[in-house]
Amino acid sequence: GAGVSQSPSNKVTEKGKDVELRCDPISGHTALYWYRQSLGQGLEFLIYFQGNSAPDKSGLPSDRFSAERTGGSVSTLTIQRTQQEDSAVYLCASSLVSGGTTDTQYFGPGTRLTVL
Amino acid sequence: ILNVEQSPQSLHVQEGDSTNFTCSFPSSNFYALHWYRWETAKSPEALFVMTLNGDEKKKGRISATLNTKEGYSYLYIKGSQPEDSATYLCALPRGSTLGRLYFGRGTQLTVWP
Repeated sequence: GAGVSQSPSNKVTEKGKDVELRCDPISGHTALYWYRQSLGQGLEFLIYFQGNSAPDKSGLPSDRFSAERTGGSVSTLTIQRTQQEDSAVYLCASSLVSGGTTDTQYFGPGTRLTVL
Repeated sequence: ILNVEQSPQSLHVQEGDSTNFTCSFPSSNFYALHWYRWETAKSPEALFVMTLNGDEKKKGRISATLNTKEGYSYLYIKGSQPEDSATYLCALPRGSTLGRLYFGRGTQLTVWP
């Protein structure tokens, strides 16, 4: 079946512009996660959606970052007034069961964001 | 914050060599450990989920062991092939009910033909 898909694959933007990154999880997966990897850093958790519960936003680095998940499926990560330090690969993942510590998270190919 | 350390940062081996690398983590409040392989321009791929002290998992030429009492896991690759070239990541959840993962920085493996 289809895996997790993300769009766009690459995004170049100017400092101060807003960007939207999209994630289509695997059909039927109830949990959805956003991570990012900045240059030289490990994967960093951003936000986690679990079914119909309120999302865990504790990893968002600033109030310029927000995310929503519509209809329990597609998710959009929005970065407002982008800064150069936002340049990173943004990865989305989904898992079948919500919130389990042993749930395998299936990752998309990522969106490489470059802020000039 | 959960401190996950991986070593070495990078590794270069010849085709046919066997190799291993380490993931270290705090031994208290352990719930699970995940290993992923991330090839360039592809999605990170799940390799193993490990939960029990002494656990050993195997997938083809790749295997992993877990020691939760001393806080480390080893990943072994037997007879490395160029297609094994990738970054190998380990990750752990912080809580018993939280699915978010804390990742190490990874070990970048390059296998030369």
